[in-house]
Amino acid sequence: DVKVTQSSRYLVKRTGEKVFLECVQDMDHENMFWYRQDPGLGLRLIYFSYDVKMKEKGDIPEGYSVSREKKERFSLILESASTNQTSMYLCASSIKLVNTEAFFGQGTRLTVV
Amino acid sequence: AQSVTQPDIHITVSEGASLELRCNYSYGATPYLFWYVQSPGQGLQLLLKYFSGDTLVQGIKGFEAEFKRSQSSFNLRKPSVHWSDAAEYFCAVGARAAGNKLTFGGGTRVLVKP
Repeated sequence: DVKVTQSSRYLVKRTGEKVFLECVQDMDHENMFWYRQDPGLGLRLIYFSYDVKMKEKGDIPEGYSVSREKKERFSLILESASTNQTSMYLCASSIKLVNTEAFFGQGTRLTVV
Repeated sequence: AQSVTQPDIHITVSEGASLELRCNYSYGATPYLFWYVQSPGQGLQLLLKYFSGDTLVQGIKGFEAEFKRSQSSFNLRKPSVHWSDAAEYFCAVGARAAGNKLTFGGGTRVLVKP
């Protein structure tokens, strides 16, 4: 089975802190994604990566950056956390874009106080 | 830009009754369509997908969905709901010409009454 592992299930951070959310997949997938999930808004794409050191902005990249130094690992970085970034963050991976299934991690619920 | 609408935020259904969840998409060409389910505290799991061919697709857990191009819809159905089907369901659309991004609807939360 494909496994996508997010390093934390719950995080509480203070406003202004730099926050790292880590995601690791074990199936040698080329593509990795970070989504943000908010009630009534579904999942919104923050960033995605289709290769090591490659990244593309999604629909809501403001306030976030990403890093992909190794194929299996994709990190989401909140440079200066703000309360409006309190949300559920979901990482996903797939073998190629769009026309194949994406596999999701269990999510990280981030609270910024 | 592509978009996905799930008109029903909440649906309550009795165990054993049928279920239909609506999904409408906006995109000019044939999209790739997905239904995912999220159980409480879990990540998303793929129920089924449509890329081409037969417009009625079968998925896991007894779910099926029908692609109707004329209505820009991809509704999810299950003939007889089980208590374990209580979850949130997301419709998603992807399209190569739209930058290969997967766009999700707002989700429908399903409650199952005994």
